[in-house]
Amino acid sequence: DTEVTQTPKHLVMGMTNKKSLKCEQHMGHRAMYWYKQKAKKPPELMFVYSYEKLSINESVPSRFSPECPNSSLLNLHLHALQPEDSALYLCASSPTSRVEGEQYFGPGTRLTVT
Amino acid sequence: AQSVSQHNHHVILSEAASLELGCNYSYGGTVNLFWYVQYPGQHLQLLLKYFSGDPLVKGIKGFEAEFIKSKFSFNLRKPSVQWSDTAEYFCAVNPLGGKLIFGTGTRLQVFP
Repeated sequence: DTEVTQTPKHLVMGMTNKKSLKCEQHMGHRAMYWYKQKAKKPPELMFVYSYEKLSINESVPSRFSPECPNSSLLNLHLHALQPEDSALYLCASSPTSRVEGEQYFGPGTRLTVT
Repeated sequence: AQSVSQHNHHVILSEAASLELGCNYSYGGTVNLFWYVQYPGQHLQLLLKYFSGDPLVKGIKGFEAEFIKSKFSFNLRKPSVQWSDTAEYFCAVNPLGGKLIFGTGTRLQVFP
């Protein structure tokens, strides 16, 4: 199994809503990532978890809150988002705990904030 | 600041043409290098990678890339493209101890 799965595929939420994005991998990878990708732009790193501990936060606003319940799961909790937060949110994982390992990406959650 | 440049933003080719996509990075230390591909409506997939050793690396689907350290380059090549190669291609660089940095991407369109 070389898949990273993400749910939901699409999400529409209002600015006052609370929602969560989920990511799962069963490759035994020890590092997991959240990226944000706007249309026609490269992915931008948001968070990195290494061995279930938050190791990098790229100065992401607090309305995005990551959580890593175990080595296979990664969540991104969303609250009071703005319309400019609409984007494709990608989850990735890598085999090693070193941040510089190769990364495998999920299909993403396309988020629309209204 | 560390950066990755992909000079070709949009490339249009006919089937069977040869492909070379440029990638340059600005970082003087040791780096790991990647090319990712994003087919229309699909997720990012790893095309090939370079960590160390032979600077000419072969990836999936007939792609290869050459690391030229003196030029800070990692260009992607394919001798003969197919319509199915139509996609967005991202070069990415990971300095040791740093984070993965993506280039701006190159959109490749291949016409039959």
